[in-house]
Amino acid sequence: GAGVSQTPSNKVTEKGKYVELRCDPISGHTALYWYRQSLGQGPEFLIYFQGTGAADDSGLPNDRFFAVRPEGSVSTLKIQRTERGDSAVYLCASSSTGTRGETQYFGPGTRLLVL
Amino acid sequence: AQTVTQSQPEMSVQEAETVTLSCTYDTSESDYYLFWYKQPPSRQMILVIRQEAYKQQNATENRFSVNFQKAAKSFSLKISDSQLGDAAMYFCAYRSAQLYGNKLVFGAGTILRVKS
Repeated sequence: GAGVSQTPSNKVTEKGKYVELRCDPISGHTALYWYRQSLGQGPEFLIYFQGTGAADDSGLPNDRFFAVRPEGSVSTLKIQRTERGDSAVYLCASSSTGTRGETQYFGPGTRLLVL
Repeated sequence: AQTVTQSQPEMSVQEAETVTLSCTYDTSESDYYLFWYKQPPSRQMILVIRQEAYKQQNATENRFSVNFQKAAKSFSLKISDSQLGDAAMYFCAYRSAQLYGNKLVFGAGTILRVKS
């Protein structure tokens, strides 16, 4: 596609539920990143994929968070047993090869609200 | 770990005037990249300008320019001839120059308001 797309745009769920957030990167980009942006703050890194593998998952806050990218294109961020503190905008970005200095192109994000 | 600080939560500028947004960062690395991203209410992060730390010359992109002071670890953004469309949240970001040092480290952001 022309840019990074993310679905859904908004997601409202109840505490304790499971959610999946989808990211469709720019076609041909091998590097994919997830960030979380809490209200009034800058984005914080969650996980980076190079192809199908998670090259750096040091930003995942706990084991309720998991992400996959089975075919090296679309990625899904999965959150189990959601908590109110998980409410945030989840941003996805992609870059061509993931090598030094490349520009990361961002999607519009998914706003998650946990009630 | 690297940190990025934006000390101005909010700035205002009159249309057609010039405004400077501040950013400082902390790192022990000598080679890295710095970025300014713009985030309008649509939430889409848009790259405004980037600077490679090994380049002494300040980057410019049309009305946008930076003042990169490596020794002071300062990276400010100057917007000339401000336009209403410049109103947004602006984030300064750092990225390591390691081969696969990929994550961006962001500051807390500065809200820019443009008055007509």
